[in-house]
Amino acid sequence: EVQVLESGGDLVQPGESLTLSCAASGFSFKNFAMGWVRQAPGKGLEWVSTVHDDGVGTYYADFAKGRFSISRDNSKNTLFLQMSRLRVEDTAVYYCAKAEGFTVDAYYFDHWGQGTLVTVSS
Amino acid sequence: QSVLTQPPSVSGAPGQRVTISCTGGSSNIGAGSHVHWYQQLPGTAPKLLIYGNNNRPSGVPDRLSGSKSGTSASLAITGLRAEDEADYYCLSYDSLSDGWVFGGGTKLTVL
Repeated sequence: EVQVLESGGDLVQPGESLTLSCAASGFSFKNFAMGWVRQAPGKGLEWVSTVHDDGVGTYYADFAKGRFSISRDNSKNTLFLQMSRLRVEDTAVYYCAKAEGFTVDAYYFDHWGQGTLVTVSS
Repeated sequence: QSVLTQPPSVSGAPGQRVTISCTGGSSNIGAGSHVHWYQQLPGTAPKLLIYGNNNRPSGVPDRLSGSKSGTSASLAITGLRAEDEADYYCLSYDSLSDGWVFGGGTKLTVL
């Protein structure tokens, strides 16, 4: 059974940094792209970042560029999201998701974790 | 405001058919990017309903179907049931931003 489990969510102050982790199991992690999607309280889904299976190709939403960094450790089946200079508006549940698709214009997220809450507040 | 536009809400009576639209542009749906659909129940993670415009993952009933034409896509649900009441989102890749975009979401109410 495919499973992804996020961890690392916390209450932090504006300007601080935080790293989220996502432990994957039940599939060949090294062969699939992975991504992060967030959802602010009472709001819709918002794509954050995607990384190719090899960890080299990375994509970021405009709000994440320069502040967030996605990476993966294929030897440990783990995905990461390093977030710096956090803002109040980054407060959200952050979901880790496994991607499917042969080309980027066909990528979709088929398996999702339950999410981890990041709260940015002074 | 999202690059992909969905109606904020739709409603229907049990047994009826409803459709949810997802309107994009020439850099995403109109450029040939695939459209995918998700259902989200309150307090839970999104669930994949349709991928690649019109494909259902195993376990998703054939009451649900997806279609795409030009710069728009639609999710149709027939034989509406109370358990269909949820939020629905479309997703596609946008070449202009070189990233993925979700529609703003549509709340489906079963009357």
